Amino acid sequence: KAGVTQTPRYLIKTRGQQVTLSCSPISGHRSVSWYQQTPGQGLQFLFEYFSETQRNKGNFPGRFSGRQFSNSRSEMNVSTLELGDSALYLCASSGWGNSYNEQFFGPGTRLTVL
Amino acid sequence: AQKVTQAQTEISVVEKEDVTLDCVYETRDTTYYLFWYKQPPSGELVFLIRRNSFDEQNEISGRYSWNFQKSTSSFNFTITASQVVDSAVYFCALSEAEKAAGNKLTFGGGTRVLVKP
Repeated sequence: KAGVTQTPRYLIKTRGQQVTLSCSPISGHRSVSWYQQTPGQGLQFLFEYFSETQRNKGNFPGRFSGRQFSNSRSEMNVSTLELGDSALYLCASSGWGNSYNEQFFGPGTRLTVL
Repeated sequence: AQKVTQAQTEISVVEKEDVTLDCVYETRDTTYYLFWYKQPPSGELVFLIRRNSFDEQNEISGRYSWNFQKSTSSFNFTITASQVVDSAVYFCALSEAEKAAGNKLTFGGGTRVLVKP
């Protein structure tokens, strides 16, 4: 069974630009969550999507948005990039039943904002 | 609000030594889950264990064991007979148990473990 995949793996952008990151969950998983990891703030929850609906949202500005498609794939968008948005963005998926909140993470997208 | 604290920022051991990672959490939820994740240099977070707040039984899984004490809000993790491949950053995390609440992990700051040969 293929794991969580994220594209692209690395990205370099300049301030003011926007960026879209993609995440494909494990087959059969309907929940996709996004996290931002920085040296200063650590791992922080961005948002979660379940069945194409945002179910949870972290404490991030409106420049951070996401969506989920009918095949459970998810995209995350950051507009008007700032230097502080440089981070590793991790996506996680989870399934049903007793393991509903066991989140399996992808390799991440490392975003550098210049 | 939920909070997870990992007081140890870095631990260095020699191979075959045991390593215990401390985790203290705060939550107002009566039911919750606790997790340990490992992040090797490649960056991907690897799920290790999950424990629910109803079950304080401590277990051993291979070289991993954990000590969950609700009375002290602690969820410590031990690697027995450490190996070089155990070198990574280890994160303790907390989430609500209600399915309707969805999936939102609150992570601790992580503990970097360096196992020297």
